[in-house]
Amino acid sequence: GESVGLHLPTLSVQEGDNSIINCAYSNSASDYFIWYKQESGKGPQFIIDIRSNMDKRQGQRVTVLLNKTVKHLSLQIAATQPGDSAVYFCAETASGGSYIPTFGRGTSLIVHP
Amino acid sequence: GAGVSQSPSNKVTEKGKDVELRCDPISGHTALYWYRQSLGQGLEFLIYFQGNSAPDKSGLPSDRFSAERTGGSVSTLTIQRTQQEDSAVYLCASSPQGRIREKLFFGSGTQLSVL
Repeated sequence: GESVGLHLPTLSVQEGDNSIINCAYSNSASDYFIWYKQESGKGPQFIIDIRSNMDKRQGQRVTVLLNKTVKHLSLQIAATQPGDSAVYFCAETASGGSYIPTFGRGTSLIVHP
Repeated sequence: GAGVSQSPSNKVTEKGKDVELRCDPISGHTALYWYRQSLGQGLEFLIYFQGNSAPDKSGLPSDRFSAERTGGSVSTLTIQRTQQEDSAVYLCASSPQGRIREKLFFGSGTQLSVL
């Protein structure tokens, strides 16, 4: 389940389950979104991106859904594996400005074998 | 490899000392970014370089923080008179062009601990 508070929101799943990580963004002018994965001791790594003219984009085992009406983004990971355990960040970028990505707080995904 | 390289990977310093953190971006990348990540928190934007110029310094927390980039390549983030609240992981990222929709490539960060 999920827990929030002083610590990062955490999602615990069993290996083989599907995972859904959510992100709410704040800037209605944002039109480009990226999900990053950060493993312990490493920098964030690109997973998948989506532009605001799309509602859904699929990659290998991952799908990103974008709901611009409620400013919500989700990352779905199919058949979650222990190697998927990491912190996941969404980042939003607004065109016409500085294009500097703004990152969300992150969600810790723990996959139990 | 050809990724973003940061040094040192760990830095322990005493309160009041100055520190310099280095970032070697991916060769040919025009844009360079510094972010700060405190324990259990997201990434806080510090400064952005387009080439050698810094059009956006809005995230620097105080005048104790400064950064420069030379030759369109290496960047140094300097923190003067460090305070305990400066303890964090400092992440550097680069991207091919900047000012467009593109992904960032991150280094592994410098873990700064101020005692």
